[in-house]
Amino acid sequence: DADVTQTPRNRITKTGKRIMLECSQTKGHDRMYWYRQDPGLGLRLIYYSFDVKDINKGEISDGYSVSRQAQAKFSLSLESAIPNQTALYFCATSVPGGDTQYFGPGTRLTVL
Amino acid sequence: DQQVKQNSPSLSVQEGRISILNCDYTNSMFDYFLWYKKYPAEGPTFLISISSIKDKNEDGRFTVFLNKSAKHLSLHIVPSQPGDSAVYFCAASLGVAGTALIFGKGTTLSVSS
Repeated sequence: DADVTQTPRNRITKTGKRIMLECSQTKGHDRMYWYRQDPGLGLRLIYYSFDVKDINKGEISDGYSVSRQAQAKFSLSLESAIPNQTALYFCATSVPGGDTQYFGPGTRLTVL
Repeated sequence: DQQVKQNSPSLSVQEGRISILNCDYTNSMFDYFLWYKKYPAEGPTFLISISSIKDKNEDGRFTVFLNKSAKHLSLHIVPSQPGDSAVYFCAASLGVAGTALIFGKGTTLSVSS
């Protein structure tokens, strides 16, 4: 069974729609992250959370919001999707003080 | 301004030969470096890492070398296998002082049989 799961795996939506991407983990890690990958640009940090009560903006947080519902769940929302948010989205987890992050399988989002 | 740079978008190697993937960084405060491998339709998978207090770390066929004075690290894969064909990302961390990993753009490795 996967330790970090993401739903949905693929999503096509229209400009202006609200969409939520979900991430769940069974690793028991406190820290969770949302990254975005665009072709040729590597992974860039959107938001991160060190625990349920701690949410922080990353490099490219504009247009996104997050919710940490529990230690194991971290959701990413696009309040009003726009085409340049078309990308691969990855959730990751880590332990406090640990540098290694463990990634989910990704969600491919297309905004038309 | 990119803090972690992988200047070679792609690399082609024959099976059995050595693959060398390079990474340069600009922030001297980075104290931990990681390599991730990514197959299509999957998330990045941790491969190997190195602390800034070391200059070499080896794990099976994979060895990472760190040259702090040159702000350069490299990943050596010996011998290369077709299953190694993937995108390889170099990442850096500020450690306890940091928040997340800073990734390079990736290098696509193709190993032909």
